Amino acid sequence: KAGVTQTPRYLIKTRGQQVTLSCSPISGHRSVSWYQQTPGQGLQFLFEYFSETQRNKGNFPGRFSGRQFSNSRSEMNVSTLELGDSALYLCASSLVPGTNTEAFFGQGTRLTVV
Amino acid sequence: GESVGLHLPTLSVQEGDNSIINCAYSNSASDYFIWYKQESGKGPQFIIDIRSNMDKRQGQRVTVLLNKTVKHLSLQIAATQPGDSAVYFCAEKSAGNTGKLIFGQGTTLQVKP
Repeated sequence: KAGVTQTPRYLIKTRGQQVTLSCSPISGHRSVSWYQQTPGQGLQFLFEYFSETQRNKGNFPGRFSGRQFSNSRSEMNVSTLELGDSALYLCASSLVPGTNTEAFFGQGTRLTVV
Repeated sequence: GESVGLHLPTLSVQEGDNSIINCAYSNSASDYFIWYKQESGKGPQFIIDIRSNMDKRQGQRVTVLLNKTVKHLSLQIAATQPGDSAVYFCAEKSAGNTGKLIFGQGTTLQVKP
């Protein structure tokens, strides 16, 4: 079956703009989490969604937001982009949260802010 | 705060040798641990997991060991191959109704032919 799909793969934006990234989880998976990966900070948790509800949020400013749709697809949005937002944004899907099951990652969206 | 740290940022091994990648975690409440492999330009790929009620789990050429007493996790790769060259991350999940993973900084494994 298809894996986790993230679109777009690459994105270049200008400071001050906003961006929306999309994630389609593995079929049947209802939990989606987002992570930011940078060389300096590594992989950091952004937020987690299950049944269209945000269940957990990482330590990021309010410019970072997300949502989940009834089909479990998720989007994350970053407003008023800053240079420091340049990163690889990764989405992970799992069956349900808290069940100690594998989380599968997509290829990520490489965001560059100039 | 919570953290998962890796002891060695880069590990270089000869092809055919065994590799051991170590990880320390600080949250004694974590009940689930995963090792991921990340190749350049790709997302993290699941390798093997272990629950806190176990101390060892084996997969194909990989073994994960968990020592809860000293909060230490290790990944052993047998007969390391050039295709094993990548960055390896350990991740922990706290007990409870959450899927949030806390990742270590990663160890680069270089396999010399």
